[in-house]
Amino acid sequence: SQKIEQNSEALNIQEGKTATLTCNYTNYSPAYLQWYRQDPGRGPVFLLLIRENEKEKRKERLKVTFDTTLKQSLFHITASQPADSATYLCALVSNTGFQKLVFGTGTRLLVSP
Amino acid sequence: DTGVSQDPRHKITKRGQNVTFRCDPISEHNRLYWYRQTLGQGPEFLTYFQNEAQLEKSRLLSDRFSAERPKGSFSTLEIQRTEQGDSAMYLCASSSLGQDYGYTFGSGTRLTVV
Repeated sequence: SQKIEQNSEALNIQEGKTATLTCNYTNYSPAYLQWYRQDPGRGPVFLLLIRENEKEKRKERLKVTFDTTLKQSLFHITASQPADSATYLCALVSNTGFQKLVFGTGTRLLVSP
Repeated sequence: DTGVSQDPRHKITKRGQNVTFRCDPISEHNRLYWYRQTLGQGPEFLTYFQNEAQLEKSRLLSDRFSAERPKGSFSTLEIQRTEQGDSAMYLCASSSLGQDYGYTFGSGTRLTVV
Protein backbone atom coordinates (compact mmCIF):
# COMPACT_ATOMS: atom_id res chain seq x y z
CA SER A 1 0.00 0.00 0.00
CA GLN A 2 1.04 3.60 -0.51
CA LYS A 3 2.63 5.26 2.50
CA ILE A 4 4.13 8.63 3.32
CA GLU A 5 6.08 8.54 6.55
CA GLN A 6 7.26 11.46 8.62
CA ASN A 7 8.72 11.27 12.09
CA SER A 8 5.79 11.50 14.47
CA GLU A 9 8.01 12.56 17.36
CA ALA A 10 8.58 16.26 17.76
CA LEU A 11 11.98 17.60 16.80
CA ASN A 12 13.47 19.90 19.42
CA ILE A 13 16.41 22.09 18.45
CA GLN A 14 18.11 25.20 19.66
CA GLU A 15 17.81 28.54 17.93
CA GLY A 16 20.47 29.04 15.30
CA LYS A 17 20.88 25.35 14.52
CA THR A 18 19.79 23.59 11.34
CA ALA A 19 16.59 21.58 11.54
CA THR A 20 16.32 18.54 9.26
CA LEU A 21 13.00 16.80 8.73
CA THR A 22 12.54 13.56 6.81
CA CYS A 23 9.83 12.32 4.49
CA ASN A 24 9.92 8.73 3.23
CA TYR A 25 7.44 7.22 0.83
CA THR A 26 6.63 3.79 -0.56
CA ASN A 27 4.70 2.66 -3.61
CA TYR A 28 4.67 6.10 -5.17
CA SER A 29 6.30 7.43 -8.28
CA PRO A 30 5.69 11.11 -7.69
CA ALA A 31 6.38 13.68 -10.36
CA TYR A 32 6.97 16.17 -7.57
CA LEU A 33 6.84 16.59 -3.84
CA GLN A 34 5.71 19.55 -1.78
CA TRP A 35 6.35 20.81 1.74
CA TYR A 36 3.87 22.76 3.83
CA ARG A 37 3.94 24.48 7.20
CA GLN A 38 0.96 24.29 9.53
CA ASP A 39 0.40 26.30 12.69
CA PRO A 40 -2.13 25.16 15.33
CA GLY A 41 -5.71 25.83 14.29
CA ARG A 42 -4.70 27.02 10.82
CA GLY A 43 -4.60 25.52 7.35
CA PRO A 44 -1.31 24.37 5.81
CA VAL A 45 0.79 26.97 4.01
CA PHE A 46 2.73 26.00 0.89
CA LEU A 47 6.51 26.36 1.20
CA LEU A 48 8.36 24.57 -1.59
CA LEU A 49 7.85 22.23 -4.51
CA ILE A 50 10.59 20.00 -5.91
CA ARG A 51 10.32 17.97 -9.10
CA GLU A 52 11.58 14.43 -9.63
CA ASN A 53 14.39 15.65 -11.90
CA GLU A 54 15.59 18.20 -9.32
CA LYS A 55 17.97 17.10 -6.62
CA GLU A 56 17.74 20.22 -4.51
CA LYS A 57 15.69 23.39 -4.17
CA ARG A 58 16.32 26.43 -2.00
CA LYS A 59 14.25 29.33 -0.79
CA GLU A 60 15.80 31.73 1.68
CA ARG A 61 16.64 29.62 4.77
CA LEU A 62 14.83 26.57 3.43
CA LYS A 63 16.35 23.71 1.45
CA VAL A 64 14.65 20.60 0.13
CA THR A 65 16.29 17.54 -1.39
CA PHE A 66 14.56 14.78 -3.31
CA ASP A 67 16.10 11.35 -3.82
CA THR A 68 13.82 9.20 -5.97
CA THR A 69 16.14 6.19 -5.55
CA LEU A 70 15.93 6.30 -1.76
CA LYS A 71 12.31 7.49 -2.00
CA GLN A 72 13.09 10.23 0.44
CA SER A 73 12.94 13.97 0.78
CA LEU A 74 14.82 16.00 3.38
CA PHE A 75 13.67 19.44 4.48
CA HIS A 76 16.22 21.73 6.08
CA ILE A 77 15.75 25.02 7.91
CA THR A 78 19.05 26.76 8.50
CA ALA A 79 19.64 29.33 11.26
CA SER A 80 16.37 28.25 12.85
CA GLN A 81 14.31 30.70 14.89
CA PRO A 82 11.58 30.20 17.50
CA ALA A 83 9.13 31.52 14.88
CA ASP A 84 9.91 28.43 12.79
CA SER A 85 8.17 26.28 15.41
CA ALA A 86 5.27 24.58 13.64
CA THR A 87 4.24 21.28 12.08
CA TYR A 88 5.78 20.56 8.69
CA LEU A 89 3.94 18.35 6.23
CA CYS A 90 5.23 16.68 3.10
CA ALA A 91 2.82 15.87 0.30
CA LEU A 92 2.95 13.84 -2.90
CA VAL A 93 0.73 13.81 -5.92
CA SER A 94 -1.34 10.62 -5.91
CA ASN A 95 -0.60 7.97 -8.50
CA THR A 96 -4.26 7.12 -8.84
CA GLY A 97 -7.20 9.08 -10.09
CA PHE A 98 -6.92 12.77 -10.74
CA GLN A 99 -4.07 14.84 -9.45
CA LYS A 100 -4.50 15.41 -5.78
CA LEU A 101 -2.08 15.77 -2.92
CA VAL A 102 -1.64 13.03 -0.36
CA PHE A 103 -0.13 14.26 2.90
CA GLY A 104 2.11 12.71 5.47
CA THR A 105 1.24 12.99 9.15
CA GLY A 106 3.67 15.85 9.69
CA THR A 107 6.53 16.46 12.05
CA ARG A 108 6.33 19.06 14.80
CA LEU A 109 9.37 21.29 15.09
CA LEU A 110 10.12 23.17 18.32
CA VAL A 111 12.89 25.76 18.24
CA SER A 112 14.02 26.92 21.67
CA PRO A 113 15.57 30.35 22.24
CA ASP B 1 -8.79 38.60 -3.15
CA THR B 2 -6.81 37.73 -0.07
CA GLY B 3 -6.95 33.95 -0.15
CA VAL B 4 -9.27 31.05 0.51
CA SER B 5 -12.11 31.84 2.90
CA GLN B 6 -14.04 29.29 4.91
CA ASP B 7 -17.16 29.80 6.93
CA PRO B 8 -17.88 29.19 9.73
CA ARG B 9 -14.56 28.88 11.57
CA HIS B 10 -16.13 26.78 14.28
CA LYS B 11 -19.30 24.72 14.43
CA ILE B 12 -20.68 22.78 17.36
CA THR B 13 -23.64 20.57 16.54
CA LYS B 14 -25.64 17.82 18.15
CA ARG B 15 -25.35 14.31 16.81
CA GLY B 16 -27.89 13.68 14.09
CA GLN B 17 -28.07 17.29 12.89
CA ASN B 18 -27.07 18.42 9.40
CA VAL B 19 -24.29 20.94 8.89
CA THR B 20 -23.09 22.87 5.84
CA PHE B 21 -19.74 24.55 5.35
CA ARG B 22 -18.81 27.09 2.73
CA CYS B 23 -15.54 27.70 0.91
CA ASP B 24 -14.68 30.68 -1.29
CA PRO B 25 -11.52 29.88 -3.28
CA ILE B 26 -9.13 32.28 -4.93
CA SER B 27 -11.08 33.56 -7.90
CA GLU B 28 -8.48 32.64 -10.56
CA HIS B 29 -8.21 29.06 -9.29
CA ASN B 30 -10.30 26.51 -11.15
CA ARG B 31 -9.41 23.56 -8.89
CA LEU B 32 -10.97 23.17 -5.47
CA TYR B 33 -10.32 20.48 -2.88
CA TRP B 34 -11.86 19.46 0.42
CA TYR B 35 -9.75 17.74 3.07
CA ARG B 36 -10.43 16.54 6.57
CA GLN B 37 -7.87 16.62 9.35
CA THR B 38 -7.98 15.06 12.80
CA LEU B 39 -5.58 15.76 15.63
CA GLY B 40 -2.06 14.52 14.98
CA GLN B 41 -2.81 13.49 11.42
CA GLY B 42 -2.16 15.05 8.05
CA PRO B 43 -5.04 16.27 5.92
CA GLU B 44 -7.01 13.46 4.24
CA PHE B 45 -8.46 14.00 0.79
CA LEU B 46 -12.26 14.08 0.53
CA THR B 47 -13.18 15.46 -2.88
CA TYR B 48 -11.95 17.51 -5.83
CA PHE B 49 -13.63 19.89 -8.28
CA GLN B 50 -12.35 21.24 -11.54
CA ASN B 51 -14.55 24.21 -12.28
CA GLU B 52 -18.07 22.97 -11.44
CA ALA B 53 -17.37 19.30 -12.11
CA GLN B 54 -16.76 17.00 -9.16
CA LEU B 55 -14.07 14.75 -10.59
CA GLU B 56 -13.13 12.59 -7.64
CA LYS B 57 -14.52 11.53 -4.29
CA SER B 58 -12.67 9.63 -1.63
CA ARG B 59 -14.03 6.43 -0.20
CA LEU B 60 -13.92 8.35 3.10
CA LEU B 61 -16.83 10.38 1.80
CA SER B 62 -19.83 8.37 2.88
CA ASP B 63 -23.36 8.86 1.57
CA ARG B 64 -23.92 11.37 4.37
CA PHE B 65 -21.44 13.74 2.78
CA SER B 66 -22.16 15.81 -0.30
CA ALA B 67 -20.25 18.62 -1.92
CA GLU B 68 -21.19 21.09 -4.62
CA ARG B 69 -19.53 23.84 -6.56
CA PRO B 70 -22.23 25.62 -8.52
CA LYS B 71 -20.95 27.75 -11.38
CA GLY B 72 -17.40 26.82 -10.54
CA SER B 73 -17.09 29.46 -7.85
CA PHE B 74 -17.70 28.84 -4.15
CA SER B 75 -18.22 25.34 -2.80
CA THR B 76 -20.31 23.83 -0.03
CA LEU B 77 -19.76 20.66 1.94
CA GLU B 78 -22.80 19.21 3.70
CA ILE B 79 -22.78 16.49 6.30
CA GLN B 80 -26.13 14.91 7.06
CA ARG B 81 -26.99 13.09 10.29
CA THR B 82 -23.69 14.00 11.90
CA GLU B 83 -21.86 11.47 14.04
CA GLN B 84 -19.25 12.01 16.72
CA GLY B 85 -16.64 10.55 14.35
CA ASP B 86 -17.24 13.46 12.00
CA SER B 87 -15.58 15.80 14.50
CA ALA B 88 -12.54 17.18 12.70
CA MET B 89 -11.11 20.19 10.93
CA TYR B 90 -12.51 20.52 7.42
CA LEU B 91 -10.08 22.25 5.10
CA CYS B 92 -10.71 23.72 1.69
CA ALA B 93 -7.92 24.41 -0.78
CA SER B 94 -7.69 25.78 -4.28
CA SER B 95 -5.09 25.76 -7.02
CA SER B 96 -4.65 26.65 -10.66
CA LEU B 97 -3.78 24.24 -13.44
CA GLY B 98 -0.12 25.05 -12.94
CA GLN B 99 0.97 23.10 -9.90
CA ASP B 100 4.16 25.03 -9.29
CA TYR B 101 2.68 27.05 -6.48
CA GLY B 102 1.03 24.33 -4.49
CA TYR B 103 -2.36 24.54 -2.89
CA THR B 104 -3.70 27.54 -1.05
CA PHE B 105 -5.61 26.40 2.00
CA GLY B 106 -8.24 28.20 3.98
CA SER B 107 -8.12 28.33 7.77
CA GLY B 108 -10.60 25.50 8.01
CA THR B 109 -13.88 24.84 9.79
CA ARG B 110 -13.54 23.08 13.13
CA LEU B 111 -16.56 20.78 13.60
CA THR B 112 -17.41 19.36 16.99
CA VAL B 113 -20.27 16.87 17.21
CA VAL B 114 -21.63 16.44 20.72
